[in-house]
Amino acid sequence: GAGVSQSPSNKVTEKGKDVELRCDPISGHTALYWYRQRLGQGLEFLIYFQGNSAPDKSGLPSDRFSAERTGESVSTLTIQRTQQEDSAVYLCASSDQGQLNTGELFFGEGSRLTVL
Amino acid sequence: AQKITQTQPGMFVQEKEAVTLDCTYDTSDPSYGLFWYKQPSSGEMIFLIYQGSYDQQNATEGRYSLNFQKARKSANLVISASQLGDSAMYFCAMREGFNFGNEKLTFGTGTRLTIIP
Repeated sequence: GAGVSQSPSNKVTEKGKDVELRCDPISGHTALYWYRQRLGQGLEFLIYFQGNSAPDKSGLPSDRFSAERTGESVSTLTIQRTQQEDSAVYLCASSDQGQLNTGELFFGEGSRLTVL
Repeated sequence: AQKITQTQPGMFVQEKEAVTLDCTYDTSDPSYGLFWYKQPSSGEMIFLIYQGSYDQQNATEGRYSLNFQKARKSANLVISASQLGDSAMYFCAMREGFNFGNEKLTFGTGTRLTIIP
């Protein structure tokens, strides 16, 4: 489809292992966001990419978290030395800067991470 | 202080009735935008409606309307004639500033709406 695609949809890992989560945004969308949603909670902003500008990393909870984006395409969120508190759904969203009226975000279905 | 407050963790509403989901916000920025998103059990976030702080009229989108009371910093979502498919989590969110291209949204904790047949 033409929506935001995330993989894997589910990931179970052992404490201390590294994980990579992938996001493929809508073609042509210049902005890409990562959010974290813990069980029963709202969405926490993690990081934002806009074109070739430096990413806004202000929401990353620790230096174990990092993200990369190649141009205006795929992004990878990496969590090193995972902890049980990292268990959550990680949501990716993209937006078209040309949508000046609403700045609507288009979300993927998320990657559910479980750290044992 | 919480920027977005949703005080109703869960609501049960009879099918075909109207429902109001509460949202209050806190910002000192005169320019901001308010959003409502729906999250069904599939997990995907679906955009419903948007209200800009300078918009004179309340936003409407089909059965959704946003009751914007600026002085009270309130942005309640009203769903008219509720349907079974409206059962989902609903999140209120805010973007501060009109820096288009930097739509960093702050979300509330959500309200789980269940429509009863």
